[in-house]
Amino acid sequence: GAGVSQTPSNKVTEKGKYVELRCDPISGHTALYWYRQSLGQGPEFLIYFQGTGAADDSGLPNDRFFAVRPEGSVSTLKIQRTERGDSAVYLCASSLRSGRGETQYFGPGTRLLVL
Amino acid sequence: QQQVKQSPQSLIVQKGGISIINCAYENTAFDYFPWYQQFPGKGPALLIAIRPDVSEKKEGRFTISFNKSAKQFSLHIMDSQPGDSATYFCAATSGGYQKVTFGTGTKLQVIP
Repeated sequence: GAGVSQTPSNKVTEKGKYVELRCDPISGHTALYWYRQSLGQGPEFLIYFQGTGAADDSGLPNDRFFAVRPEGSVSTLKIQRTERGDSAVYLCASSLRSGRGETQYFGPGTRLLVL
Repeated sequence: QQQVKQSPQSLIVQKGGISIINCAYENTAFDYFPWYQQFPGKGPALLIAIRPDVSEKKEGRFTISFNKSAKQFSLHIMDSQPGDSATYFCAATSGGYQKVTFGTGTKLQVIP
């Protein structure tokens, strides 16, 4: 079946602009995660959704970052007043359930470049 | 704070050889240790995982060795193949929802 999809695959924006990144999880997966991967580094946790609610947003770097999952499926990561340091690959993952041992399936990521 | 330390940063192995990647962790609350494989332009994919009550887990050519007292674990890739060339991340999770803490990654190149 279809995996996790993310759009756009690439996004170039200017400093100070607003961007939205979309994630379509695997159908039926209740848990959804956002990670950020800087060049040459491992992914870093941003936020986790169980259903529609953000169960843990402790990884969001500051209040310019916000994410929603209004119907418990598609999620959007929103970044306001983008900065050059926001440039990274933003990865989305989903799992059937939350819990130890549940496999997280990652999408290909959105490559964000802030000029 | 780097909670999962990974080495080496890069690794070149001859085809048929053994690739070994090492990781160490600090947080004793970690209770699940997955390894991910990532190809360029793709997201990470789960390769193999181990729980701390097990000292070794083998799946095909991939083996995890786990030393709970030393807080160290490693991935061994036997009979390494060019198709194994990728970046490998060790990781650790804790709590009920599997927030994954990744290592810094090892770029493996298997040469023919």
